[in-house]
Amino acid sequence: DAKTTQPPSMDCAEGRAANLPCNHSTISGNEYVYWYRQIHSQGPQYIIHGLKNNETNEMASLIITEDRKSSTLILPHATLRDTAVYYCIATYTDKLIFGTGTRLQVFP
Amino acid sequence: EAGVTQSPTHLIKTRGQQATLRCSPISGHTSVYWYQQALGLGLQFLLWYDEGEERNRGNFPPRFSGRQFPNYSSELNVNALELEDSALYLCASSLLKGLATQETQYFGPGTRLLVL
Repeated sequence: DAKTTQPPSMDCAEGRAANLPCNHSTISGNEYVYWYRQIHSQGPQYIIHGLKNNETNEMASLIITEDRKSSTLILPHATLRDTAVYYCIATYTDKLIFGTGTRLQVFP
Repeated sequence: EAGVTQSPTHLIKTRGQQATLRCSPISGHTSVYWYQQALGLGLQFLLWYDEGEERNRGNFPPRFSGRQFPNYSSELNVNALELEDSALYLCASSLLKGLATQETQYFGPGTRLLVL
């Protein structure tokens, strides 16, 4: 699995878009990019995943660069409940390797 | 639709004892995964079961073991407990992995194990 690099922390004002970057410069062609978040030591919550194309669901959008070396998770209208640790994972196996993630703090 | 469930939510054991943790996957899911989240160490892959067989294991000693039952539920057993086994143990489930697709893992709420 490719190593991912994320900023340790970010702040975002409530109602604004939160853009969380992830670098995966060694990603291979068959590796998907997954995003999970973990709120207060609960089980990680699946957010979104993609391979090459940009993806959108009811929670977020995932923008993957054309060379696939980086991606951005976008929460379009952050709320206080989005405060969590966000993990970016690049994998093609059934073993998810979690890094340290980005701690997103949404403030009023 | 019910998500992944785990029991118990909390478990307190003493050093040297055995702990058994249980997981029920989402209905229709055949793969179960176990992860450990110890304080300061992040989430680490423990075991993967599919169709009743152990398919992969992480870098953990043999005293961490488990099994998957015909109904796809799973047990994680930790023998000869050590203080550093104190952690949140998370179970995830997914559909059987296809030949060319990645299957998303969905996590349960976890079991918090405290070893005294």
